Amino acid sequence: EPEVTQTPSHQVTQMGQEVILRCVPISNHLYFYWYRQILGQKVEFLVSFYNNEISEKSEIFDDQFSVERPDGSNFTLKIRSTKLEDSAMYFCASSVTGGGSLYEQYFGPGTRLTVT
Amino acid sequence: LAKTTQPISMDSYEGQEVNITCSHNNIATNDYITWYQQFPSQGPRFIIQGYKTKVTNEVASLFIPADRKSSTLSLPRVSLSDTAVYYCLVGANSGYALNFGKGTSLLVTP
Repeated sequence: EPEVTQTPSHQVTQMGQEVILRCVPISNHLYFYWYRQILGQKVEFLVSFYNNEISEKSEIFDDQFSVERPDGSNFTLKIRSTKLEDSAMYFCASSVTGGGSLYEQYFGPGTRLTVT
Repeated sequence: LAKTTQPISMDSYEGQEVNITCSHNNIATNDYITWYQQFPSQGPRFIIQGYKTKVTNEVASLFIPADRKSSTLSLPRVSLSDTAVYYCLVGANSGYALNFGKGTSLLVTP
């Protein structure tokens, strides 16, 4: 069964450093997403991406964050200058089509980001 | 978006049937009810979706009464590996985000 993959599984970085989290969505999917989950809290939506542009973003997704699809397979989340409060599990997801909760989103295993 | 309310936690023994109820009094005509499951340190996974009456798949059943103001996820004969957080989501095809609440943390013990 096709699955979303993410690398690395765990990233440790110092405050103020830039990090890039990588995802390979399922190959025939057209919509891509990033979510995050701070330890012990709920899964929070960050951004959705379709046709090489952001289709929706949350208040969390400020100027420190950016997303890119640099080639036909990868989807990345960049945090320019990490803060302690960016420590969380970051999940990438993809779906065949977009449309809120109506269409199944497939989630990757996550990247645990620890900012020290 | 319709607000959902679910129990924070539930406990069950292996082999029992587990029913998790979600209240969504403000559900709109176009809204569907979707359940996701999240194992520890993993991403959420779609379980089941329905609009009305009953839906069944290989994992679970979803019961939705006629007024659609609540729904019940039924897990038959749970095993230890069903220990997870279960999220009820209500929405239609507006927007792109999945809005997860706190979910119901199910603990299955021997």
